[in-house]
Amino acid sequence: AAGVIQSPRHLIKEKRETATLKCYPIPRHDTVYWYQQGPGQDPQFLISFYEKMQSDKGSIPDRFSAQQFSDYHSELNMSSLELGDSALYFCASSRFRTSGGNEQFFGPGTRLTVL
Amino acid sequence: SQQGEEDPQALSIQEGENATMNCSYKTSINNLQWYRQNSGRGLVHLILIRSNEREKHSGRLRVTLDTSKKSSSLLITASRAADTASYFCATDNSGNTPLVFGKGTRLSVIA
Repeated sequence: AAGVIQSPRHLIKEKRETATLKCYPIPRHDTVYWYQQGPGQDPQFLISFYEKMQSDKGSIPDRFSAQQFSDYHSELNMSSLELGDSALYFCASSRFRTSGGNEQFFGPGTRLTVL
Repeated sequence: SQQGEEDPQALSIQEGENATMNCSYKTSINNLQWYRQNSGRGLVHLILIRSNEREKHSGRLRVTLDTSKKSSSLLITASRAADTASYFCATDNSGNTPLVFGKGTRLSVIA
């Protein structure tokens, strides 16, 4: 079965540079979520999109922005990178169900290292 | 903000033993899910239990939910070395909302 695809898998950047992470959700999933996981930490929600509109916003810095495109893939844009941005960035997707289930399926993550 | 705590933070058992991990949360929920994560890798969805359910099984996994105590437990029976991973619970408060994760339990199964 198709899974969530993220690219790149690894990224190394210098401080103050920019980075773009990409996420391709499972086909027919209409919601995309971005999470950040620091070393030894639990994942923290950043932002989500439902049907290409921003639906929820979490602890996403103003330096970051994201969008979901017409083909449902999403991109997380990160500018003025700081050392503290080094983390695993996960994308997850789900399909909205009126019955209430909300299984979110995660991609393999992008490991960002800021030097 | 952190939804809750998981305990224990780390658990080490022998292969064949059962492993029980607990999760507590603070606010009302719609669903509670358990995920597994191998070191530095992706999160694998294990099981979802809805707020109106009390127990659910999937293979060697058994999940319970006590909404009056705002807690859940994950039981892995007959553990294997390959079960070594971190296990996270995550909650949502409606059908299409972000997950709030607990801090995770690091399980080590010794062969």
